[in-house]
Amino acid sequence: NAGVMQNPRHLVRRRGQEARLRCSPMKGHSHVYWYRQLPEEGLKFMVYLQKENIIDESGMPKERFSAEFPKEGPSILRIQQVVRGDSAAYFCASSPPSRVNEKLFFGSGTQLSVL
Amino acid sequence: SQQGEEDPQALSIQEGENATMNCSYKTSINNLQWYRQNSGRGLVHLILIRSNEREKHSGRLRVTLDTSKKSSSLLITASRAADTASYFCATDATAMYSGGGADGLTFGKGTHLIIQP
Repeated sequence: NAGVMQNPRHLVRRRGQEARLRCSPMKGHSHVYWYRQLPEEGLKFMVYLQKENIIDESGMPKERFSAEFPKEGPSILRIQQVVRGDSAAYFCASSPPSRVNEKLFFGSGTQLSVL
Repeated sequence: SQQGEEDPQALSIQEGENATMNCSYKTSINNLQWYRQNSGRGLVHLILIRSNEREKHSGRLRVTLDTSKKSSSLLITASRAADTASYFCATDATAMYSGGGADGLTFGKGTHLIIQP
């Protein structure tokens, strides 16, 4: 039973490019969360999704950031026109329907570096 | 604003000693959880304590929760070199408040624990 899979592990983009981060939740998990972590900081909540629905995106910047979790395929976090301040580790987590916000399983993260 | 704040920010102890980390939070919660993060990796769930519980054990871990003081502590007994990691508390305050607010867990900045052999 594979864990939460994130790819790519590292992503380098130049300012103005687009970054697409992928997350496949654990089998049987229908809830996906995206968090951002800056060096020496805790995780900051960005968005919470279920299949085909955004439940809460209150932690996500209003511009340039979007997330989706389609019926088929991984969840995608998209950052358009990246800036240096977007450089961070982005973590995806999933949970089963019965344990929402009780036990999150995290992927290994995508380290985004904006040049 | 940051919900959980861990204390101390960093802790270095000798192998075999006990390590205690504290977490304070600001709002009423449903539960509080502790996670461990090894360098460059994702977080791993350690233990959950509900708002109506005061103490919980799991192996070498002991967690306490004082809702009147809005604080929790994580005790790791008989520490090992492999316990070296950052430890984060996370709170779930979902549905405690109306009018919005993130539905995800709210994490503190963590305590960086170093176990010296």
